[in-house]
Amino acid sequence: EVQLVESGGGLVQPGGSLRLSCAASGFSFSSYWIHWVRQVPGKGLVWVSRINGDGRSRSYADSVKGRFIISGDNAKNTLYLEMNSLTVEDTAIYYCARAGSPLSAFDMWGQGTMVTVSS
Amino acid sequence: DIQMTQSPSTLSASVGDRVTITCRVSQSISSWLAWYQQKPGKAPKLLIYKASTLETGVPSRFSGSGSGTEFTLTISSLQPDDFATYYCQQYNVYYSFGQGTKLEIK
Repeated sequence: EVQLVESGGGLVQPGGSLRLSCAASGFSFSSYWIHWVRQVPGKGLVWVSRINGDGRSRSYADSVKGRFIISGDNAKNTLYLEMNSLTVEDTAIYYCARAGSPLSAFDMWGQGTMVTVSS
Repeated sequence: DIQMTQSPSTLSASVGDRVTITCRVSQSISSWLAWYQQKPGKAPKLLIYKASTLETGVPSRFSGSGSGTEFTLTISSLQPDDFATYYCQQYNVYYSFGQGTKLEIK
């Protein structure tokens, strides 16, 4: 089955770190751009970061630049989002999503993983 | 940053109605616009890309139009499965989403 599956969410204290994973199956993510998008429950969608298939191109939203790092492991067909210096404003559902190019819509999404930053 | 403004924020309609959602963009994005449907507790689902191209498997009652700064999503005859929240997204300069339009049963 062609799908994306996120994991790694949970409860973390402000200032803490967390690493999310996005496992691709049924396709090779090295042929796609993979994005992270987050959503506060009940609110809208916000783009967070993207990486291309060979990992050479990475981009971040201003709100996470310098704190989050996106990376990929082609051998495991898995993408990661390392989140550092977390604040309560980072509390959200985090989705990974697939796109064919930088100028492509997101044609496949994972089910999401919840990150809660709270003391 | 490119700002996206959807209207209305909430839309009440009945099965069989024709509905239109508008997305206005703060600067021209040519046709680099997508529409997504999201149901409670689920991930967004791509409906339309490049402003008017229907994603494979999406019913033909969904259609998109527009270019530049103004775009519309039309559902020609609402079905029970269509009651959800809809988002527009620009992907011309990085990525940004509209605030969403919740389509409710009247």
